[in-house]
Amino acid sequence: AQSVTQPDIHITVSEGASLELRCNYSYGATPYLFWYVQSPGQGLQLLLKYFSGDTLVQGIKGFEAEFKRSQSSFNLRKPSVHWSDAAEYFCAVVNTNAGKSTFGDGTTLTVKP
Amino acid sequence: GAGVSQTPSNKVTEKGKYVELRCDPISGHTALYWYRQSLGQGPEFLIYFQGTGAADDSGLPNDRFFAVRPEGSVSTLKIQRTERGDSAVYLCASSLLAPDTQYFGPGTRLTVL
Repeated sequence: AQSVTQPDIHITVSEGASLELRCNYSYGATPYLFWYVQSPGQGLQLLLKYFSGDTLVQGIKGFEAEFKRSQSSFNLRKPSVHWSDAAEYFCAVVNTNAGKSTFGDGTTLTVKP
Repeated sequence: GAGVSQTPSNKVTEKGKYVELRCDPISGHTALYWYRQSLGQGPEFLIYFQGTGAADDSGLPNDRFFAVRPEGSVSTLKIQRTERGDSAVYLCASSLLAPDTQYFGPGTRLTVL
């Protein structure tokens, strides 16, 4: 069965500092992987996705993520965080046969001025 | 173009009542998904439609939950004899094909008193 673990429930960083959010997945084959962001009262917005090919993927808002098969990880990074990045971030793995998504429980990002 | 829409945005009901939640996917998207998000957790898969048929309903918690998509577009999630534990945000997503990028609606917040 597929699963996703986001080990950090809450992360606080200073504005302008770098950010890395961790995601570990379990899936029997090459996964499709996604990162979403959710602001309070808002829907899920896609940041980036990995299907195949280059293991370093670029997304919106300056985010990137790296797929590491050997570590079953898909960590999200941003070199310089902005106050508007404060939100909840979800990693998801998609069943490549059907599209069913399994999400982690999310990481809440707080940005200090 | 228009994104995924969900109605109502909020629904308050009493324990034991019947509710219907509606999802309007992006035009032309063949795959439609329902998820449930409880406070502090990631979205949890409920059911996936490919066209008019339910391709995977393994996430429906029990037989009080049912979903339809009669014409392959709009979908309705139906919950009978609601319980307080059904209180959550119900999210709908659609994708052009499956598996593919899923686009999420804003959700319906269901509160069962």
